[in-house]
This record gives sequence, C-alpha cells and structure tokens, in this order.
Amino acid sequence: GENVEQHPSTLSVQEGDSAVIKCTYSDSASNYFPWYKQELGKRPQLIIDIRSNVGEKKDQRIAVTLNKTAKHFSLHITETQPEDSAVYFCAGAGSGGGADGLTFGKGTHLIIQP
Amino acid sequence: GAGVSQSPRYKVAKRGQDVALRCDPISGHVSLFWYQQALGQGPEFLTYFQNEAQLDKSGLPSDRFFAERPEGSVSTLKIQRTQQEDSAVYLCASSLSTVYEQYFGPGTRLTVT
Repeated sequence: GENVEQHPSTLSVQEGDSAVIKCTYSDSASNYFPWYKQELGKRPQLIIDIRSNVGEKKDQRIAVTLNKTAKHFSLHITETQPEDSAVYFCAGAGSGGGADGLTFGKGTHLIIQP
Repeated sequence: GAGVSQSPRYKVAKRGQDVALRCDPISGHVSLFWYQQALGQGPEFLTYFQNEAQLDKSGLPSDRFFAERPEGSVSTLKIQRTQQEDSAVYLCASSLSTVYEQYFGPGTRLTVT
C-alpha cells in the first residue's frame, strides 16, 4: 500500500517569512495529493490539493508542487501570518481505482513567531 | 451549506462496552470515509462507502469494528467490546465522488477506561 513521509515534524518561522513542508510517497500509481490544516481540537480542513496531471497549483498565499518522477510534493506558504499556526498534513491516494482512502503523513506543526 | 456532522462529540466507554458513532455527510455526497486519529498522529483510513455499498474495509483494525450506511446517507461506526487501544478521535469525511476533495466532520473523541 501507499506510504507517505512528511518533513519536518516541527517548523518555526518568523511572521512574514515563507514556510515549506515536504512529503514523499511510495506508490507511483497514486494520483491525488491533498493538504489539510488542523488546528488544536478541530477538524482537518482541506486547504489545497493537486492531481498528478499538473506540476503546480496556487491559491493566494498557498501553493503546492508535485514531482512525479521523484515522488515528492511540497506545500509552500508565503507571507506567513499568525493564523497559519496549525498542524499541516499531506496525504496521497488514488491508486486503488477510487475505492480507497487517503494515506496521511505524520504532520508538521507550523509555528509562526510574531 | 451544512458541513459534515458527527455525534456524539465525546464518548467515554468502559472497557468491554459497545459504542456507536454517527456521521451525517454533506447532502448529496456519494462517498463517505471513516478514519481513526490517534493523539499526535495523522488520520488513518478505516473504511469507505459509495452510496450504501461498503467498497473498502481494509483499514478496520479488527472484527470488533463494523460500519454501515444502509440508505446511502447517514453512517454508523460500531465498535464492540471496546479496548483501551481503541481510544482515539474517529473522523468521518464525505466527498461528491470517490477519494477526491474529502471534507471532514469534527470527529468523535472516544476514551475507553
């Protein structure tokens, strides 16, 4: 089955700086890679996703890049703000013909320093 | 519109008791997923429904875990003879179709004492 590795486990950046979180996956048949933000005690929120037919996707301050050859994808957050502080999870899926769930990484605790 | 809802939000069970956790997906969402999230970890896939059909139950940790979605809308995850290792947050997610764009509910925090 799919295995998703995520780094770093904790990331501290100054407010206004950029943050990058990286993930690798094992199953070359996976074709869908979402990112979720989870605040303490809250539900995971889908913030951006990418499918394997594109290499990059942007939504305001957030972007995701995908390198299918190397089997890795990254989340980029620019101009970080205090409200970006949360745990971020990457995930992969899609190799099971649609009849499977997401495989998540272990999460990155992003801390925005004022 | 209304998001995914789950009930109860918190459940305390004594070891050996049976529990039932409910998920109300977003209206019109065909696909429904259950995940288990241990403290400090990412969610782990348990099972998947498309309408009323359970298409994948490969993530259910034991035969004490059972899920159903009899009318293709509300789903129930049942855990029989709960054990301490079952303590976790149980998350439900729904999507319009298959694995893409899953939206999560707030979860049920289960504590087995």
